[in-house]
Amino acid sequence: DAGITQSPRHKVTETGTPVTLRCHQTENHRYMYWYRQDPGHGLRLIHYSYGVKDTDKGEVSDGYSVSRSKTEDFLLTLESATSSQTSVYFCAISGGGERPETQYFGPGTRLLVL
Amino acid sequence: QQQVKQSPQSLIVQKGGISIINCAYENTAFDYFPWYQQFPGKGPALLIAIRPDVSEKKEGRFTISFNKSAKQFSLHIMDSQPGDSATYFCAARILGNQFYFGTGTSLTVIP
Repeated sequence: DAGITQSPRHKVTETGTPVTLRCHQTENHRYMYWYRQDPGHGLRLIHYSYGVKDTDKGEVSDGYSVSRSKTEDFLLTLESATSSQTSVYFCAISGGGERPETQYFGPGTRLLVL
Repeated sequence: QQQVKQSPQSLIVQKGGISIINCAYENTAFDYFPWYQQFPGKGPALLIAIRPDVSEKKEGRFTISFNKSAKQFSLHIMDSQPGDSATYFCAARILGNQFYFGTGTSLTVIP
């Protein structure tokens, strides 16, 4: 998984609670991304970062916020979890190594909101 | 609006056959077109990629065909094997390393 870890790997939470997912990379890639994967929708971009403290919204950013205080860490926060946010969340990185145009994905976090 | 349209949604192929997955796009600013393979419970992994100045790229049993004028590209898996059973995503990149993904194709190769 190209030096990308996600934590937790599985989480069950209740509607209305805040949730934070963590992505950590050891590759020193410039760009980091959060996607959600749902049946029939493929991978949809939630937020991405193009540098420390530089972030931008993706196509499904409502209800999510992100922070990147260090190159290696990108946090995704669900401010008040809803059942519609039940999904598999993938972190990805790009912009480094021998193939800077390539995205590498983490192992995913499976989130269930009851 | 789906930036990259992928078809079919699912595909069943006999072992040894050819699997073909198609993608189409509209934005001519896309400059890099990767294909990802994903096994259940895993993250997507880069399979093969192409740039728009090339019409075909082959790596082993996997070939991308690219038609710039039609804004279409396709993945061909020759001599398909049961181990190729996975979900395949096409994607397109735009300046700033933003990527847009197709909705995925679930491939099943029957022994």
